Amino acid sequence: GAVVSQHPSWVICKSGTSVKIECRSLDFQATTMFWYRQFPKQSLMLMATSNEGSKATYEQGVEKDKFLINHASLTLSTLTVTSAHPEDSSFYICSARRQGYEAFFGQGTRLTVV
Amino acid sequence: EDQVTQSPEALRLQEGESSSLNCSYTVSGLRGLFWYRQDPGKGPEFLFTLYSAGEEKEKERLKATLTKKESFLHITAPKPEDSATYLCAPRGTNAGKSTFGDGTTLTVKP
Repeated sequence: GAVVSQHPSWVICKSGTSVKIECRSLDFQATTMFWYRQFPKQSLMLMATSNEGSKATYEQGVEKDKFLINHASLTLSTLTVTSAHPEDSSFYICSARRQGYEAFFGQGTRLTVV
Repeated sequence: EDQVTQSPEALRLQEGESSSLNCSYTVSGLRGLFWYRQDPGKGPEFLFTLYSAGEEKEKERLKATLTKKESFLHITAPKPEDSATYLCAPRGTNAGKSTFGDGTTLTVKP
C-alpha cells in the first residue's frame, strides 16, 4: 500500500503558540489531502479537504483562520494550529489520496497544549 | 446528507469465535466503500475497497461484502491481534470525501 508520513507524532506546546504538522505522501502523488481530528473513543471528524495548489475547503464549524492548511505540492500538506489553546489538544490525522483511489492515512499527531 | 451507522459499537469475542460487523450507509452516488482498521493512538490502516453491490474482498481472516445499503466485515476464527477499531467509510459524489462511521471496537480474548 501507499505510504503517508505525518510529523511530528506528538507535540507539546504552550498556550498561545502555533504548531505546524506535516503530512507527506512518500511514494505517490496526492491530488487530495484530508485533515481530521479525533477525540478519545470517537470517530474521525473531517476538518478540511485540500487540493494541490488551491485553497482548502473547510467543514462547517472549523475555523479556517485558526487551522491553516497549505497544500503546496502533490506530496506535502501542512496544518498549522495558530494561537493554540488547551481545547485544541487532540489527535490530528491526515490522509492522502490519488485521483480515483482510496485514501491512506498518516500515523497521526498527538497535540497537547499546556 | 451522507450517513453511516456501524454496529455493534463494541464486540467481544473469544479467540476462534467468528462474527460479523455491520456498516449501514446512505450516500448519493456511491463511488466506493472503504474499510479501515485503527489501533489505539495510530492512524487508520487501509483494508478494503468495495465498489459495487455483490462485490467481496478477502484478506487473511477478514472478508468484506457490499450490498446497496450495507456492508459487512466478516471475521473468521479471529485472533487477539485482530483486536482494533474497524471503521467503514463510504464515499459518494459529495465533494469526493468519505463519511466515516463511529467504528466497531473489536476485542478478541485468548
